[in-house]
Formats: sequence, C-alpha cells, structure tokens
Amino acid sequence: DIQMTQSPSSLSASVGDAVTITCRASQDIGNGLGWYQQKPGKAPERLIYDASSLQSGVPSRFSGSGSGTEFTLTISSLQPEDFAAYYCLQHNRYPLTFGGGTKVEMK
Amino acid sequence: EVQLVESGGGLVKPGGSLRLSCAASGFIFNTCTLNWVRQAPGRGLEWVSSISSSGTHIYYAESVKGRFTISRDNAKNSVQLQMNSLRAEDTAVYYCARDPRGAGTGFLDSWGQGILVTVSS
Repeated sequence: DIQMTQSPSSLSASVGDAVTITCRASQDIGNGLGWYQQKPGKAPERLIYDASSLQSGVPSRFSGSGSGTEFTLTISSLQPEDFAAYYCLQHNRYPLTFGGGTKVEMK
Repeated sequence: EVQLVESGGGLVKPGGSLRLSCAASGFIFNTCTLNWVRQAPGRGLEWVSSISSSGTHIYYAESVKGRFTISRDNAKNSVQLQMNSLRAEDTAVYYCARDPRGAGTGFLDSWGQGILVTVSS
C-alpha cells in the first residue's frame, strides 16, 4: 500500500501569509495526487487534481506542485475563509490513501 | 449540478448491521466510479470502498474487507454500502464520493454531505 505522509499536522498563520503543506508518498505515484479542503461539519472539497491542476471555481491563490513522491500545496496569501483542514489523496492506485491532514489555524 | 445524498445512518449495536445508500443526480451515473470514504470523530479521512461504473471492479480497505459490501443500481442511480459485524471503530461520518471516470482510482471530484454511523451499546 502507498503511505501518504503529510506535514505539518497543524500550523498557525495570519491573513496574508503564504502557507505551504507537503505530502510525501512512499512510492512513485506520478502526478496522481489531489488536495482537499474541509471545513468543520462539511464535506471535503477538491482544490487541486493531478498534482497541479486547479479545480474549476477554486481561487488562484491555491496552487499545487510536485510529482513522483513529493508534493506541495501552497496558499499564496491566506484569506479568512482558508482556515480549515487540508488533506492530500493519492489517486494513482488502490487502496486509495489520504495524508493525515493539516489544520490551518489563525495565529 | 452534481448531487449525492446519503441515507441510512444511525445508531447500531456492536455486531449489528446497517445499510447506507447514496442517491445521485445531475450527472450520467452509469459512467462514473462511486466511492465511500469515512471520517471518525475528530480524525482524518479514510477511504472505505469503490465500485466501477459497471460494477465489475470492486475494492475495499483492509479494515472493512469481509464485513462491508458495496453495490450499485444503475437503473436507480444509487450506490449502497452494506455494513455487517459492525465495531465501535466503524463509528464515523460516511461520505459518498464520485469519480467521473468509469474505472477510476480516486479522482474524487464531488462529495455528499455525509451520514453519521454510530456503533455503540
């Protein structure tokens, strides 16, 4: 099985800060990675697919990069509505595996 | 607009059974892979099971293999998750999620609102 190691597990930041979250895969997954945002009590929403493609309707301050085993999600300028949990998901092969999540909190 | 609506959750005793359903609308159901993903209280996301568009390819997480069964009814635009031999650790919000590819591998682009399953005596 492919293990997804996500870091950090939490971070504190201020509005306007740039934020970077990392996922590392235990095997090469090519570009088969998605990033999701989840707010309390809500279903996850996809931000990025295929490692770097922006989901339609998602603000351009979100970007994804990487391939193989190292991936990053960057929020270029944190907005109040961005305080949430973020998860990566490898969509290269079964069993599907999520990263452990990153909670972005207000400093 | 893609809509996925889960139903069938609730409180069940350990060892009991429950059947979840997900009703889909707003897209061509029989061309998509459907998935179940769960989230235990205060925890992260865990993939549970997937079924391809025709129902030919089915996958399960090790944690539910042999206890859960996924199925779909393309005539009724619905997917089900039959959960048997339930354990306390199956307590979670269960989400139905769509992969628009017929034999997809987790390209989850739309999710339902989730349904709570509580396993407790």
